Amino acid sequence: EVQLMESGGDLVHPGGSLRLSCTAVGFTFDDYGMHWVRLVPGKGLEWVAGLTRDSRSIDYADFVKGRFTISRDSAKNSLYLQMNNLTPDDTALYYCAKAGTEYANFLMDFFDSWGQGTPVTVSS
Amino acid sequence: DIQLTQSPSTLSASVGDRVTITCRANQDISPWLAWYQQSPGRAPKLLIYKTSTLGIAVPSRFSGSGSGTEFTLTINSLQPDDFAIYYCQQYSNYRPWTFGQGTKVEIK
Repeated sequence: EVQLMESGGDLVHPGGSLRLSCTAVGFTFDDYGMHWVRLVPGKGLEWVAGLTRDSRSIDYADFVKGRFTISRDSAKNSLYLQMNNLTPDDTALYYCAKAGTEYANFLMDFFDSWGQGTPVTVSS
Repeated sequence: DIQLTQSPSTLSASVGDRVTITCRANQDISPWLAWYQQSPGRAPKLLIYKTSTLGIAVPSRFSGSGSGTEFTLTINSLQPDDFAIYYCQQYSNYRPWTFGQGTKVEIK
């Protein structure tokens, strides 16, 4: 059974940083792209960032470019999101999501498994 | 960005009803559309991808259709577990990959 477990969410002041982690079990991590998606209160779901299984293709939503960095570690079956210069608009529940297509070398994909999410609150 | 507009925003229905949710895009995204279900306090669950392909272990009462810029999710014989929020998502060549604003299916 596929399981994705996020951690690292917290309350942080504007301008602060956080590093989110997602540990994956139940599938061959190296065979799938991975993404971060957030649920913003009152707004719905927003795709944040994604990378292919080999990290050769990486993309970010415009609202996080230059502030967030997505990465993965095959040895630890883990996905990360380094978030810098956080603003109140980044307040959300952050989900780790597994791409649906095996062996894909592209990012355009649906998400067939999601974690439970980790909450990030940016407030002074 | 591709904008996805779902209608209605809220839908009141009873167990056993047939319900339909529409997702309209402002550009042709066919067939790269997925549907997700999110129940309170739970992770989103994939229902349908590539417009009409059912996800693993998704009950057959869920179905998807559409093309071009208009897509629908139909739930036949609504069950108690189906009262939730439903989102469409486009994953075409037009990045970023965007979601509809959600449709809440509530008990009448």
